[in-house]
Amino acid sequence: EAEVAQSPRYKITEKSQAVAFWCDPISGHATLYWYRQILGQGPELLVQFQDESVVDDSQLPKDRFSAERLKGVDSTLKIQPAELGDSAMYLCASTESSGPYNEQFFGPGTRLTVL
Amino acid sequence: QQQVKQSPQSLIVQKGGIPIINCAYENTAFDYFPWYQQFPGKGPALLIAIRPDVSEKKEGRFTISFNKSAKQFSLHIMDSQPGDSATYFCAASNTGGFKTIFGAGTRLFVKA
Repeated sequence: EAEVAQSPRYKITEKSQAVAFWCDPISGHATLYWYRQILGQGPELLVQFQDESVVDDSQLPKDRFSAERLKGVDSTLKIQPAELGDSAMYLCASTESSGPYNEQFFGPGTRLTVL
Repeated sequence: QQQVKQSPQSLIVQKGGIPIINCAYENTAFDYFPWYQQFPGKGPALLIAIRPDVSEKKEGRFTISFNKSAKQFSLHIMDSQPGDSATYFCAASNTGGFKTIFGAGTRLFVKA
């Protein structure tokens, strides 16, 4: 069964350091999402890609976060510099297309701890 | 207006019981309401979803009840099993391009 892959699964870093997360969506899925899930809360959208283009990054803290999907396949989310409040689970999801009725398939996430 | 409020935060039921999780929304533009199930260490997975043109949808032991006038919807799990112990998230989105908004989640524990 096809799955969304994410790495690393866990990341511990000190504040002010740079971190990067990688996501490989299900093959053929044009739409890719990055979510942040703070402990005890639901996922919150950070950025949405349609192929290689950003569709929505309104909730992405652009002073420290960046995301790219250069060839419209896999994607990288970067934080520089990391802050204590960035500790959370970072989830990647993908869908075949951008319509809201399409099931979002989530990866296992990267749990980030900032010390 | 973009919030989805979910309750309770946590729920403990006996095996065979019927846990009920409730969600409420404000934005009447939402027209798609999925529920996701998340096990520890895993990403959320779609469980069941409903559109507002129907008041109820059943898939196996899972039922969504939808009240459009009250702007509320709920998940019922019939004959709950210990394997149903997980965190459940309601969500809302729409065809107009609104991003999916998730509730805060309900941690369900089903006692054997």
